[in-house]
Amino acid sequence: QVQLVESGGGVVQPGGSLRLSCAASGFTFSRHGMHWLRQAPGKGLEWVAFMQHDGSRINYVDSVKGRFTISRDNSKDTLYLQMNSLRGEDTAVYYCARDDHVAGEDFWGQGTLVTVSS
Amino acid sequence: DVVMTQSPLSLPVTLGQPASISCRSSQSLVSSDGNTYLNWFQQRPGQSPRRLIYKVSNRDSGVPDRFSGSGSGTDFTLKISRVEAEDVGVYYCMQVTHWPPRTFGQGTKVEIK
Repeated sequence: QVQLVESGGGVVQPGGSLRLSCAASGFTFSRHGMHWLRQAPGKGLEWVAFMQHDGSRINYVDSVKGRFTISRDNSKDTLYLQMNSLRGEDTAVYYCARDDHVAGEDFWGQGTLVTVSS
Repeated sequence: DVVMTQSPLSLPVTLGQPASISCRSSQSLVSSDGNTYLNWFQQRPGQSPRRLIYKVSNRDSGVPDRFSGSGSGTDFTLKISRVEAEDVGVYYCMQVTHWPPRTFGQGTKVEIK
């Protein structure tokens, strides 16, 4: 079955950096685009970034452009999110999600919490 | 950016009774390929989101048939024919027609009266 396991979250000071990972299993990772989404504590869902299966297309929400970088290693079935210049408003649970080629995000991981605080 | 507006934001429901959630978009979600990319997600307390409905009215695998989606253009609805206790949670609509960015509604909290 499809499994997505995020890791790398934690507490970081404003201006700091963190790299999140998403380990995929149960499907052919190299054939699927992948997304990062987030949810601030007690708030709604926000889409953050997308990378096509082969890296040919990358998109970001405006609020993270220039600060976050999505990448993937298809040989390791792993998706990454490098987060730099972190701000308080980046505090959230970060989810990775698979794109099903049909209508978008069909499976989500359990999430990893990022807290930006001094 | 496409703005998605859900109503109501809170929905107390009696077990066994129907429930309906509305989602409106700030522009038509009909894509140039003729499809309408409007999806619904359920987020139970303490869990990650689960997709229930894709492209307006298609149920994902394993989703009970008491859940149904309908609508067109800018107006969409998620209906639960008979609410069960396991349906408690927050429901989100999401559009993936005009992106980036992909955008969600604010969420509708379904609770049992």
